[in-house]
Amino acid sequence: DADVTQTPRNRITKTGKRIMLECSQTKGHDRMYWYRQDPGLGLRLIYYSFDVKDINKGEISDGYSVSRQAQAKFSLSLESAIPNQTALYFCATRPGQGYTGELFFGEGSRLTVL
Amino acid sequence: QKEVEQNSGPLSVPEGAIASLNCTYSDRVSQSFFWYRQYSGKSPELIMSIYSNGDKEDGRFTAQLNKASQYVSLLIRDSQPSDSATYLCAVNPSSGSARQLTFGSGTQLTVLP
Repeated sequence: DADVTQTPRNRITKTGKRIMLECSQTKGHDRMYWYRQDPGLGLRLIYYSFDVKDINKGEISDGYSVSRQAQAKFSLSLESAIPNQTALYFCATRPGQGYTGELFFGEGSRLTVL
Repeated sequence: QKEVEQNSGPLSVPEGAIASLNCTYSDRVSQSFFWYRQYSGKSPELIMSIYSNGDKEDGRFTAQLNKASQYVSLLIRDSQPSDSATYLCAVNPSSGSARQLTFGSGTQLTVLP
């Protein structure tokens, strides 16, 4: 089983719908991240969390919200999805101590907004 | 100006050749630099990290860092078709409350058999 699990892996929805992407991890890491990836734009940071009480906006947080339900769970919500939120979304984790620069990514959630 | 810039490619090299991937960054005091590999449809994985000027070798991979010129590169020797992937340069910025990795847009590499 993957250490960082994202659900759903694929989702097609319509404009205006509320969508939640979920991430859970078994690595025991404190820090969790949500990125989106678009062709030609690389990975852009949406939100990140250092622990359940510490949530921070990233580069492109508008239109998104997050919830850190527990150390192991970090969810990303699109309150009212729009077509330009069509992208590949990655959750990632890393330890708070002994950081080497390595982020551990989930397998990705492909979201299509029609 | 983007904080981390890479040639988007695609870059094609024949099998056995050296593939050279380049990255420049804008934050002059950045301290740590990373190369991630991402196969099509998969998640990124860390393959190299470098913190000091000069070269760092790991098997067929060599990372090169020049802080004065603000560039970092990745050389892949004896390229194999299995090296075909997108390579993402990532930089740990030194300033700002975020201090999170900033990724370039990636260079797509194809190694031709």
